[in-house]
Amino acid sequence: DTGVSQDPRHKITKRGQNVTFRCDPISEHNRLYWYRQTLGQGPEFLTYFQNEAQLEKSRLLSDRFSAERPKGSFSTLEIQRTEQGDSAMYLCASRLGVNTEAFFGQGTRLTVV
Amino acid sequence: DQQVKQNSPSLSVQEGRISILNCDYTNSMFDYFLWYKKYPAEGPTFLISISSIKDKNEDGRFTVFLNKSAKHLSLHIVPSQPGDSAVYFCAASVIAAGNKLTFGGGTRVLVKP
Repeated sequence: DTGVSQDPRHKITKRGQNVTFRCDPISEHNRLYWYRQTLGQGPEFLTYFQNEAQLEKSRLLSDRFSAERPKGSFSTLEIQRTEQGDSAMYLCASRLGVNTEAFFGQGTRLTVV
Repeated sequence: DQQVKQNSPSLSVQEGRISILNCDYTNSMFDYFLWYKKYPAEGPTFLISISSIKDKNEDGRFTVFLNKSAKHLSLHIVPSQPGDSAVYFCAASVIAAGNKLTFGGGTRVLVKP
């Protein structure tokens, strides 16, 4: 499978715990994006990388959120001290260059109890 | 401030007929527009895109129309098939600003056999 891969698919965690999600983009795609989707809404932009450089972070990304993309390949999104409001689908997308469509992974469904 | 809006939360259409999905945007800087299809518990799947220099793009059963003066785009699916039943999101971006996507809230389409 050469698509965007996200792990885990589902995560249930207790409030206050830390969680980390992983995204493996399509090989050679230099741009990687994280989005969050809550029930009944469209995905909302969180942050994006060009190679290993994090170029922009949304104001939605509080200090409890951090993302990395070491070596410009896979990316991780960590949420510290999770809150119930963090419950959502976290989507990763990648693209090659700028003028192309973004391909999405299947997402990680986070439930904070 | 919702920059991309899909005012119809749902649409029901008979198999074989045309499905028309609408999307309005407010940011005149948007220069790239896309439609995605999403099944439950999966990531969005790219359908079709259009650059702001065009007013129409066609791919098989899918046609996207862009009216820049009205800040409006639409997706036509003809003929509609039961497998088209899903949630459809329109998205817009500014290519020079990282091409991060701003999504509408989605339209749920049900194609009846």
